[in-house]
Amino acid sequence: SQTIHQWPATLVQPVGSPLSLECTVEGTSNPNLYWYRQAAGRGLQLLFYSVGIGQISSEVPQNLSASRPQDRQFILSSKKLLLSDSGFYLCAWTGGGHSTDTQYFGPGTRLTVL
Amino acid sequence: AQSVTQLGSHVSVSEGALVLLRCNYSSSVPPYLFWYVQYPNQGLQLLLKYTSAATLVKGINGFEAEFKKSETSFHLTKPSAHMSDAAEYFCAVSLNTGFQKLVFGTGTRLLVSP
Repeated sequence: SQTIHQWPATLVQPVGSPLSLECTVEGTSNPNLYWYRQAAGRGLQLLFYSVGIGQISSEVPQNLSASRPQDRQFILSSKKLLLSDSGFYLCAWTGGGHSTDTQYFGPGTRLTVL
Repeated sequence: AQSVTQLGSHVSVSEGALVLLRCNYSSSVPPYLFWYVQYPNQGLQLLLKYTSAATLVKGINGFEAEFKKSETSFHLTKPSAHMSDAAEYFCAVSLNTGFQKLVFGTGTRLLVSP
């Protein structure tokens, strides 16, 4: 069966420090991968998605970047964190390219920027 | 452009009472609609989805939703609430881009009292 992992589970970082969050999927190949951010009291905002290695699409301009160095690995990064980067970051995957596909979510990373 | 509106950021019910969580969508084409549940500090789990087959969709944990095109609604219901249903619920619409991309509502927190 397929599983999705995210780490770390929680992270407290000072403003201006770098960030690297990792997401990996097991049990499938060539997944579509997604990064979302969930700010306190708000819904989910799609940040990035990827349909293949090295292929990244950004949804909103921001202080973050994403990379996909391997088929089942998706990384969210920042060179210098801002207070507004705090939130709950969720990674998700789907197995194909159809609009009816189900997105499966990872357990999330709670990021607090102080 | 597709969008989703969830009426009521918080809904409170007593254990054993009917659960009704409202979702209205806006879409220029026949939509695909999803309901997800999120327990505290966890990722999202799919409850059910509408993909234009049956208008009444049954999901996990006794939840169901009915697609009503005339009302542009996809409300989530459960006949009898259980304490374990306390969570946040998100409605989402899939953009028909040939690539699975979800637009989420802002969520409704369900509170269940004994």
